[in-house]
Amino acid sequence: DAGITQSPRHKVTETGTPVTLRCHQTENHRYMYWYRQDPGHGLRLIHYSYGVKDTDKGEVSDGYSVSRSKTEDFLLTLESATSSQTSVYFCAIKGGETQYFGPGTRLLVL
Amino acid sequence: GESVGLHLPTLSVQEGDNSIINCAYSNSASDYFIWYKQESGKGPQFIIDIRSNMDKRQGQRVTVLLNKTVKHLSLQIAATQPGDSAVYFCAETMGSGGSNYKLTFGKGTLLTVNP
Repeated sequence: DAGITQSPRHKVTETGTPVTLRCHQTENHRYMYWYRQDPGHGLRLIHYSYGVKDTDKGEVSDGYSVSRSKTEDFLLTLESATSSQTSVYFCAIKGGETQYFGPGTRLLVL
Repeated sequence: GESVGLHLPTLSVQEGDNSIINCAYSNSASDYFIWYKQESGKGPQFIIDIRSNMDKRQGQRVTVLLNKTVKHLSLQIAATQPGDSAVYFCAETMGSGGSNYKLTFGKGTLLTVNP
């Protein structure tokens, strides 16, 4: 599992509420990524980080923000959740040329 | 987890048969490719990778073939077992370093192994 944990693993929230998902890694990897996975779309990159306080947007970044104040934690925030953000969210780290994924967070926005 | 398999191409095989899963990649400049396995309710799991200077690479019960001419990648699983049932997808990238490193993922194939 490449030392990656995600929390919470499941969350139900209401439209308009803020939500923060946490990715924690124990192996000091520089690069971290947030993806969402939806039927028919595969994995789509939301944001990524290439170091502490260094982040950039992916292909589906609207409605999401991230923060990385220390190497081991990469936070994904939905400032005001919408039903279209119902999805499974995966965090990943870059090890060598490969990305290794966490177990995922299943988010339902009602 | 099970919703990942919806709307995907499917491959159904008998236990013990060999499986071949295909992937067409998009960028002729991609030079590194990865196959992932995703079981229901879990995160994608690395299976095997291959660089563009190779056309074949073997692992334990798995072989990846790369045809750069037609931008095609395949994953062969020998003696398929029920535990191989999962969604399999490929990923491609150019280069390994720099802040621009990103993977592009295929949508995947659902493999079902019948006992």
